[in-house]
Amino acid sequence: AQKITQTQPGMFVQEKEAVTLDCTYDTSDPSYGLFWYKQPSSGEMIFLIYQGSYDQQNATEGRYSLNFQKARKSANLVISASQLGDSAMYFCAMRETTSGTYKYIFGTGTRLKVLA
Amino acid sequence: EAGVAQSPRYKIIEKRQSVAFWCNPISGHATLYWYQQILGQGPKLLIQFQNNGVVDDSQLPKDRFSAERLKGVDSTLKIQPAKLEDSAVYLCASSSDFSRANYGYTFGSGTRLTVV
Repeated sequence: AQKITQTQPGMFVQEKEAVTLDCTYDTSDPSYGLFWYKQPSSGEMIFLIYQGSYDQQNATEGRYSLNFQKARKSANLVISASQLGDSAMYFCAMRETTSGTYKYIFGTGTRLKVLA
Repeated sequence: EAGVAQSPRYKIIEKRQSVAFWCNPISGHATLYWYQQILGQGPKLLIQFQNNGVVDDSQLPKDRFSAERLKGVDSTLKIQPAKLEDSAVYLCASSSDFSRANYGYTFGSGTRLTVV
């Protein structure tokens, strides 16, 4: 069975500093994808970054990077130079391939608060 | 491209009443997902469609929830009769599967249901 674990219910970070949000996963599927989504108070889910299980390099998207440690089954999100607008819920998700389509499972989320 | 459209944005009903939510995915996206997100939790998959066929409805409470995607485009999720514990945000998402696998889902803005 798949499992996504986010152990940090809430995090604080000072504006302009970097922050790491933790995510560990468990799967027996050799081919999988890992995603991070941001959910601001407005409620919409915004895709941030993707890491494939066979990717050799860590994914980066602007101020977001994914610290992928396959052997430890972790996929931590690093946000550099935090901004006040980064305050939101952040969800880690894993994708497996089932019956020729994708199925996603989400973690419980981490609420990030950026302090001025 | 236009995003995933959902309506209504908010709904308040009394327990034992029925309610229906509508979702129109991004044009050309074959896969459509309905998620339930209870306050403080991550999204939980209720049902996944590939075109007009059901791929996964293992977590759909079939005694009260139903969903359809008759023409393989838009979809309706219905709850009848509603219970207090159905209060949640219902998120619709779509994806084009393999062609844009690394871009994740596109979510709609969700429908916030309150059962009183």
